[in-house]
Amino acid sequence: GENVEQHPSTLSVQEGDSAVIKCTYSDSASNYFPWYKQELGKGPQLIIDIRSNVGEKKDQRIAVTLNKTAKHFSLHITETQPEDSAVYFCAATRGTGNQFYFGTGTSLTVIP
Amino acid sequence: DAMVIQNPRYQVTQFGKPVTLSCSQTLNHNVMYWYQQKSSQAPKLLFHYYDKDFNNEADTPDNFQSRRPNTSFCFLDIRSPGLGDAAMYLCATSRDVDRAGEPYEQYFGPGTRLTVT
Repeated sequence: GENVEQHPSTLSVQEGDSAVIKCTYSDSASNYFPWYKQELGKGPQLIIDIRSNVGEKKDQRIAVTLNKTAKHFSLHITETQPEDSAVYFCAATRGTGNQFYFGTGTSLTVIP
Repeated sequence: DAMVIQNPRYQVTQFGKPVTLSCSQTLNHNVMYWYQQKSSQAPKLLFHYYDKDFNNEADTPDNFQSRRPNTSFCFLDIRSPGLGDAAMYLCATSRDVDRAGEPYEQYFGPGTRLTVT
C-alpha cells in the first residue's frame, strides 16, 4: 500500500515569513494529493490540492508543488499570519478504492 | 451550509457500553468514510462505503461496525468501547472517481470526540 511521510512534525515561523511542509509518497500510481488544515477540535479542511498532471498550483498565499519523478510534494504558505497556526496534513490517493493515505501531520505555529 | 454533519460533537460512554456515532451529508456523495484520530496523530481509516458496498480496513477491530441505511446517513457502532477507543471520530465523504479515473476531493465533518470512562 501507499506510505506517506511528512516533515517537519513541528514548525514555528515569525508572522510574515514563509512556511514549507514536505511530503513523500511511495506509490507511483497515486495521482491526487490534497492538503488539509486542522484546527483544534475541528475536522480537517481541504485547503489546496494538486493532481498528477500538474506540477504546481497556487491559491493566494498557498501553493503546492509536485515532483512525480522524486515522488514528493510540498505546501508553501507565504506571508504567514497567526490564523495560519494549525496542524497540516498531506495525503495521497490513486483513486481506485477511494483510499486516502495521510501523512503524520505538521503543527505550524505562527508567532506574532 | 453544513455539508457533512456529525452528531453528537462530544460523546461520553462507559467502558463496555455500546455507543453509536452518526454522520449525515447533504452533498449526495456516494462514498462515505469513518476515520479514527487520536491526539497528535493522522486520521486512521476504519472503513468506507462505496454506495452500499462496505470496505473494511484489515486492521480495524471487530469491535467497530458500520451501517449505511441510505446515501445521506452513515453510523459508526462501537460494540464494547475500551479506554483505547477514546479518540476523535471523523466522517468524510467524496464522489466516485471521474471518467478518467481521477479521484474527487474528500470533505470532512467536524468530528465526534469520544470519551470512555
